[in-house]
Amino acid sequence: AQSVTQLDSHVSVSEGTPVLLRCNYSSSYSPSLFWYVQHPNKGLQLLLKYTSAATLVKGINGFEAEFKKSETSFHLTKPSAHMSDAAEYFCVVGGNQAGTALIFGKGTTLSVSS
Amino acid sequence: EPEVTQTPSHQVTQMGQEVILRCVPISNHLYFYWYRQILGQKVEFLVSFYNNEISEKSEIFDDQFSVERPDGSNFTLKIRSTKLEDSAMYFCASSEGQGARNTQYFGPGTRLTVL
Repeated sequence: AQSVTQLDSHVSVSEGTPVLLRCNYSSSYSPSLFWYVQHPNKGLQLLLKYTSAATLVKGINGFEAEFKKSETSFHLTKPSAHMSDAAEYFCVVGGNQAGTALIFGKGTTLSVSS
Repeated sequence: EPEVTQTPSHQVTQMGQEVILRCVPISNHLYFYWYRQILGQKVEFLVSFYNNEISEKSEIFDDQFSVERPDGSNFTLKIRSTKLEDSAMYFCASSEGQGARNTQYFGPGTRLTVL
């Protein structure tokens, strides 16, 4: 069985400071891992994905995540937060087979203050 | 850039009524999915669909739910007799295929309100 735990329900940062959103996963086989972002009243947008290639994954808008198998983690980072980064972020685990369900974490709300 | 589209963006219905939520997946994608997000809760998988068959479904996807690909472009979710607890945001997603092409791309969602 697969599961994902987002360790913080809410993270607050100041504009220009680093962002760290934490995610741990559990999977009985090599997983695919994703981060999706949801802005208010918008759909789910893919930020980045890990599918067993490079362990450091770069995504859109300056975000990146590092897959650490030994720690079963896939934390999302950004060097400098922007006001427009304020949104809900979901860590997601999926199988490597097409057609399989994605398992979502509960989400982390990122607030960015000026 | 191709994207998944969903209609309507908001649907209000009375309890017990049937609703059909519509999705147009990305054109070269072969796998289709429905998820839902009840307000304040996590996104939950409902069903996946490939080659005109359900390939996987969750416990939520009971006999009140059905999916269909009525033509070459649309993918629908029907709720036969809506309940208050069906109120949620419903997301359609599609993916191209195996491995790295398995990324699921989501539509903007349909907010269903059952009164």
